[in-house]
Amino acid sequence: KAGVTQTPRYLIKTRGQQVTLSCSPISGHRSVSWYQQTPGQGLQFLFEYFSETQRNKGNFPGRFSGRQFSNSRSEMNVSTLELGDSALYLCASSFGGVVKNIQYFGAGTRLSVL
Amino acid sequence: DQQVKQNSPSLSVQEGRISILNCDYTNSMFDYFLWYKKYPAEGPTFLISISSIKDKNEDGRFTVFLNKSAKHLSLHIVPSQPGDSAVYFCAASASEGGSQGNLIFGKGTKLSVKP
Repeated sequence: KAGVTQTPRYLIKTRGQQVTLSCSPISGHRSVSWYQQTPGQGLQFLFEYFSETQRNKGNFPGRFSGRQFSNSRSEMNVSTLELGDSALYLCASSFGGVVKNIQYFGAGTRLSVL
Repeated sequence: DQQVKQNSPSLSVQEGRISILNCDYTNSMFDYFLWYKKYPAEGPTFLISISSIKDKNEDGRFTVFLNKSAKHLSLHIVPSQPGDSAVYFCAASASEGGSQGNLIFGKGTKLSVKP
């Protein structure tokens, strides 16, 4: 069974640009969550999508947005990039139950903002 | 305010001995706890979990203990192996309240197992 796939693995952008990251979940999983990992803040929850609807949202500005398609694939978009957006962005998928919420992670997209 | 805390940034253990990683939480709504292992340049890998209705869960060399009254959990690795060297994250979720469906992570403990 294929795992969670994130593309691209690495990205370099400049301030002010926008970026779109992609995530393909494990087959059968309907929930996709996104996390940002930085050395200072650790792993922080961005948002979760379930059946094409945002079900939960973390404490990030509106420049961070996402969507989920009917095949459960998800994209995350960051507009007007700032230097502080440089981070590892991780996507995780799960069956979507709020109880016993085991999430399986992709390898991440490393975003560098110059 | 950190809801999940791993107070030891690093831990060094001799091969064959026990590794004990600790985690504290503040939110009493958390009812499911997980441990993940992470190697550099990879995503976190799920290791083991425990529901709040239990106080212990075992899977091979890994055992997680939960003390609800102290809001504390620990991961025991016995025996430790060099391949266990990685960063370990504790995570929690709630089936009710503001954290349902997402995981709240600690900042991790880097475990080094020396041959």
